[in-house]
Amino acid sequence: DVVMTQSPLSLPVTLGQPASISCRSSQSLVYSDGDTYLNWFQQRPGQSPRRLIYKVSNRDSGVPDRFSGSGSGTDFTLKISRVEAEDVGVYYCMQGTHWPRTFGQGTKVEIK
Amino acid sequence: EVQLVESGGGLVQPGGSLRLSCAVSGFTFSNYWMTWVRQAPGKGLEWVANIKEDGSEKYYVDSVKGRFTISRDNAKNSLYLQMNSLRAEDTAVYYCARGTWGPRYWGQGTLVTVSS
Repeated sequence: DVVMTQSPLSLPVTLGQPASISCRSSQSLVYSDGDTYLNWFQQRPGQSPRRLIYKVSNRDSGVPDRFSGSGSGTDFTLKISRVEAEDVGVYYCMQGTHWPRTFGQGTKVEIK
Repeated sequence: EVQLVESGGGLVQPGGSLRLSCAVSGFTFSNYWMTWVRQAPGKGLEWVANIKEDGSEKYYVDSVKGRFTISRDNAKNSLYLQMNSLRAEDTAVYYCARGTWGPRYWGQGTLVTVSS
């Protein structure tokens, strides 16, 4: 199985400051069609997961542009340019290239 | 509006069975792969199973193979998860979601508790 490793697992951030989460996969996530199926999800307390980013860097509709994704192959990053109070929650990367699909352990973002 | 509504969760004894359902609306169900994901209390997300648009392909995480069965009824716009031989470690909120490459829409989840 593809292991997804996130860091850090806990991220205290000051409001208005940037935040960055790393996600590394144990195998390349490039699929045979040339696309890379790496996704980022946000889960606010008490809510269902919400997809923020798909195929590494594509932001879903309604997602603020302070969220951005980047990376390639096995190394990926989610960045929040200026953290707001509503960004508190747990963030997960997930690969959709290989079976079984796998998630990272999650990174808890909290306000300092 | 895309909606996914899970049901069927509850308390079940170890070794028991439960069938989860997911009723969808707002999109053409038969055009999409569907996914079950679970989340144990206070833990992270775990992908459980996927089913192709026509039901011809199914994939499972190793820990549920041989015990869980994913299925769908495209005429009823419904997704199912039959769970047999349940164990304490199957206790979780179970979410259904649309898609497989990276699920875009999720339900609110249904809680399954396996305990004596």
